[in-house]
Amino acid sequence: DQQVKQNSPSLSVQEGRISILNCDYTNSMFDYFLWYKKYPAEGPTFLISISSIKDKNEDGRFTVFLNKSAKHLSLHIVPSQPGDSAVYFCAASDRGGATNKLIFGTGTLLAVQP
Amino acid sequence: KAGVTQTPRYLIKTRGQQVTLSCSPISGHRSVSWYQQTPGQGLQFLFEYFSETQRNKGNFPGRFSGRQFSNSRSEMNVSTLELGDSALYLCASSFLAGGADTQYFGPGTRLTVL
Repeated sequence: DQQVKQNSPSLSVQEGRISILNCDYTNSMFDYFLWYKKYPAEGPTFLISISSIKDKNEDGRFTVFLNKSAKHLSLHIVPSQPGDSAVYFCAASDRGGATNKLIFGTGTLLAVQP
Repeated sequence: KAGVTQTPRYLIKTRGQQVTLSCSPISGHRSVSWYQQTPGQGLQFLFEYFSETQRNKGNFPGRFSGRQFSNSRSEMNVSTLELGDSALYLCASSFLAGGADTQYFGPGTRLTVL
């Protein structure tokens, strides 16, 4: 049972354009969401997070949007740069469950073309 | 501040052997979680420790175990290795427990079982 889904295995965008990565979840108990970026043979690097009490959070070129009614979140990267090419994972947690356990999506490989 | 460190970075074992992996969290962080990443299953939660106590455990067989020491360093052990245990094992640390804080990942230990 995949509680967090990233339906696009890959995405290719041109440098300078917007990258939009999508994530859907099924568990309504999830109340905290994170995006991580991962290069091969390295651990995931934290990018940005959002609590369920918000619908948007920005940090520089990265913005995360949360639509609770649709159980959907998205990560926008503007402008995209070649160095952004990596696998992006969304993750969710149930803070009310008093646990640090993260449920990860399967990842989206982003390729930013120069 | 130094990040999460994991040793060893690479390990090759044969079926039936056991292995111990080590994780040193970011200084001051008391919560450590472990994840397994495989191509087929993605990133899966193994267990979570805080103040030397296991707070949560994922859906893995009893061959997978862990512990945390008083200095917050953690080890995980896999006994009677199987071919399917070949994976990247990731450790993450955070200051707080209970999902209240962002988790930061180490580079991982790549385990190959022959």
